[in-house]
Amino acid sequence: VQLVQSGGGVVQPGRSLRLSCAASGFTFSSYGMHWVRQAPGKGLEWVAVIWYHGSNIYYADSVKGRFTISKDNSKTTLYLQMNSLRVEDTAVYYCARDLSSGWYGVDYWGLGTLVTVSS
Amino acid sequence: QSVLTQPPSASGTPGQRVTISCSGSISNIGSKTVNWYQQLPGTTPKLLIYGNNQRPSGVPDRFSGSKSATSASLAISGLQSEDEADYYCAAWDDRLSGHVFGTGTKVTVL
Repeated sequence: VQLVQSGGGVVQPGRSLRLSCAASGFTFSSYGMHWVRQAPGKGLEWVAVIWYHGSNIYYADSVKGRFTISKDNSKTTLYLQMNSLRVEDTAVYYCARDLSSGWYGVDYWGLGTLVTVSS
Repeated sequence: QSVLTQPPSASGTPGQRVTISCSGSISNIGSKTVNWYQQLPGTTPKLLIYGNNQRPSGVPDRFSGSKSATSASLAISGLQSEDEADYYCAAWDDRLSGHVFGTGTKVTVL
């Protein structure tokens, strides 16, 4: 299982950023996928999950209405579109695979990509 | 502020047994399975226990998980210096319609 992330960086408050996660080594269309973040020096915070088929999507309250998770099974790629970014969104963002459809929690993690929201 | 509460720290000497608790509610631990993760300093989290008490391939049997009602526990027996890390519990929460992580416990090997 490989999860290769890209798209992080420094962005001003209120702006947008899109994270990508290219998956390989497993049947991408059969697994749910997550985004999890970790602010500097803080604990893990679950951000969003998309079911294996893409029809069930759930978000943490802290990002609901601002972030959009999506997956392209043909490209075996997971995305996180982040709009109206806030300083408190600064964190390392991890792409992660679910143990199964989306219910069961994360088993494999990407290496993470740092998003810094600062003016 | 997480809905899964863990003690901020735990410690033990090499060879000792250390237990970490994770307290939740009926909407998460009480009705869903619990996973545990280990995050070594400066590294990506790693799945340690899934489905309350199952170890992925490669995880030493020194690590064990259990669940009772709305609480779960991770036990590390025969504590080793390389076990010094942050540990997180996690579960799906029906009320929040999302996954939640515990507050995290830093384990120190004295």
